[in-house]
Amino acid sequence: EAGVAQSPRYKIIEKRQSVAFWCNPISGHATLYWYQQILGQGPKLLIQFQNNGVVDDSQLPKDRFSAERLKGVDSTLKIQPAKLEDSAVYLCASSKIVPNEQFFGPGTRLTVL
Amino acid sequence: QKEVEQNSGPLSVPEGAIASLNCTYSDRGSQSFFWYRQYSGKSPELIMFIYSNGDKEDGRFTAQLNKASQYVSLLIRDSQPSDSATYLCAVNDNYGQNFVFGPGTRLSVLP
Repeated sequence: EAGVAQSPRYKIIEKRQSVAFWCNPISGHATLYWYQQILGQGPKLLIQFQNNGVVDDSQLPKDRFSAERLKGVDSTLKIQPAKLEDSAVYLCASSKIVPNEQFFGPGTRLTVL
Repeated sequence: QKEVEQNSGPLSVPEGAIASLNCTYSDRGSQSFFWYRQYSGKSPELIMFIYSNGDKEDGRFTAQLNKASQYVSLLIRDSQPSDSATYLCAVNDNYGQNFVFGPGTRLSVLP
């Protein structure tokens, strides 16, 4: 069974530029999560989708971050414009509805200069 | 703000010893509890989950949950140097929402 796929693996941009990350979940997993992990911290949930609906986006900085999950499968997370403090690893995870153990992709390491 | 707390460590144990990792959480509505292992530069990988009070064993790992004390722990028996990693505790509510991770405890198993 293929795992969660993410791309790109690394991205370097300058502040105020925009960037987009892509995630393809494990086949059959209805729930998809985007996390931000800053070095030395635990992952912070940005947004949770169930199928193509948003379940939780309470910690998503909506003035600059957006996410979509068209057709309930793959998803994109966008940052526009990026700030220095957005430098982090962006993790995508997926799970079934029940049980909801999450499986993580390899992550995208973003550096904002 | 729902919180999950862990001792950041590093926790150092000799090879073959039992490592004990602890986690407390603030939301009494939390229903599901997860332990993830994260090697440096890698993404988290699920070790085990627990939903009910008591102990759950899987190989060398035992998760212990006490909802009254809002406390969950992970014991690693016969610790190996390959167990050296950061261990993340995560909780969510009964609806599979409000997923919160702790900051992680760094474990170092000394040969």
